Amino acid sequence: NAGVTQTPKFQVLKTGQSMTLQCAQDMNHNSMYWYRQDPGMGLRLIYYSASEGTTDKGEVPNGYNVSRLNKREFSLRLESAAPSQTSVYFCASSESRAGVNSYEQYFGPGTRLTVT
Amino acid sequence: GDSVTQMEGPVTLSEEAFLTINCTYTATGYPSLFWYVQYPGEGLQLLLKATKADDKGSNKGFEATYRKETTSFHLEKGSVQVSDSAVYFCALLMDSSYKLIFGSGTRLLVRP
Repeated sequence: NAGVTQTPKFQVLKTGQSMTLQCAQDMNHNSMYWYRQDPGMGLRLIYYSASEGTTDKGEVPNGYNVSRLNKREFSLRLESAAPSQTSVYFCASSESRAGVNSYEQYFGPGTRLTVT
Repeated sequence: GDSVTQMEGPVTLSEEAFLTINCTYTATGYPSLFWYVQYPGEGLQLLLKATKADDKGSNKGFEATYRKETTSFHLEKGSVQVSDSAVYFCALLMDSSYKLIFGSGTRLLVRP
């Protein structure tokens, strides 16, 4: 099993450009997540998808959109990149069942994005 | 709102020293608690977890006990190795929520 994979690993964008970060998991997990990691701030949730066909905003959704393409794939789109979106982006997935919250989240290796 | 507070780093230790990284939380209910570790250039990996009060999570020589009375989940290891150098994140997950809430992370540097 590859676990959670992300592409690309690195990306440099100019302000105003758009791009999509791709994420896929092969663990048959129901739930998937996008986080950003900034120095001194830990990880903050951007969007999540509790199950195929649903998406919800997290803590910092402004400037981003997501698509849960199927059970395996969850993409994050920046429509018009801004320097404030320079960050490391992590995708994660987890099993989930109603009323059970102890399932760990499995993380991908991250995408380092720089917006100039 | 719910939150996690970790001690600021970096924490610098010599090999075989005792490690404690403090973590306290604020939550309206009874969360599950986690420690994640991030090695340089990699994603986060679950180190250990505890799902209810007085549970002890343990893995790879690391331990943490869920203390409801002090709302704490401190990470300890009796003898650190150079290979333990990484950033450690404490996190909580509330019942019926999908949102992991992370602390800001504590960098550990272990010198030979």
